[in-house]
Amino acid sequence: GAVVSQHPSRVICKSGTSVKIECRSLDFQATTMFWYRQFPKKSLMLMATSNEGSKATYEQGVEKDKFLINHASLTLSTLTVTSAHPEDSSFYICSASLWTPQRHEQFFGPGTRLTVL
Amino acid sequence: KQEVTQIPAALSVPEGENLVLNCSFTDSAIYNLQWFRQDPGKGLTSLLLIQSSQREQTSGRLNASLDKSSGRSTLYIAASQPGDSATYLCAVSRFTNSGYSTLTFGKGTMLLVSP
Repeated sequence: GAVVSQHPSRVICKSGTSVKIECRSLDFQATTMFWYRQFPKKSLMLMATSNEGSKATYEQGVEKDKFLINHASLTLSTLTVTSAHPEDSSFYICSASLWTPQRHEQFFGPGTRLTVL
Repeated sequence: KQEVTQIPAALSVPEGENLVLNCSFTDSAIYNLQWFRQDPGKGLTSLLLIQSSQREQTSGRLNASLDKSSGRSTLYIAASQPGDSATYLCAVSRFTNSGYSTLTFGKGTMLLVSP
């Protein structure tokens, strides 16, 4: 249980195009999902917190108009990188939050490798 | 602001050795601490989760300890195998004013176990 998928796993696009990445919780409902970014040999950096039915909360330094987040259902959040540029090339990972009476845990997707030419 | 540090940054050992990975964090007001494994170009696999009220968790050859007051955690891997080669990430969670918890990650320890 507690499986999170991401699509696509890899995308290569030209500079100036927009790219949409999907994050799905397959066997549980997640009111909260998170989007992270990871540069080579660097740690995961939280970009934004996505709450179902409300606006996302962005971390300091993350452009909300650049990285559009939509959390339209309890199992799907999308991240759209608008007008992508080479500096946006990175590994994007999402996670979904699962609450149980015993604990609260985030389950991570397999990541999406974005390369902007 | 929470900062998570992992030592060493890289570790190379022969197969069969027992090893310890270290994680420290600056703010002890955490909800839980997790250890993850990340293979190159892949997502994260959760290994162990320790609640702030717990001292340790064990899963197979892995044992993680938590000393919240001193801001430290260790991941102990017994009888290491080449398949253990990966980057190990430590992350601590805290609750935000909005009612959900967020994770802060360390930079990881890159482990290589040679046959």
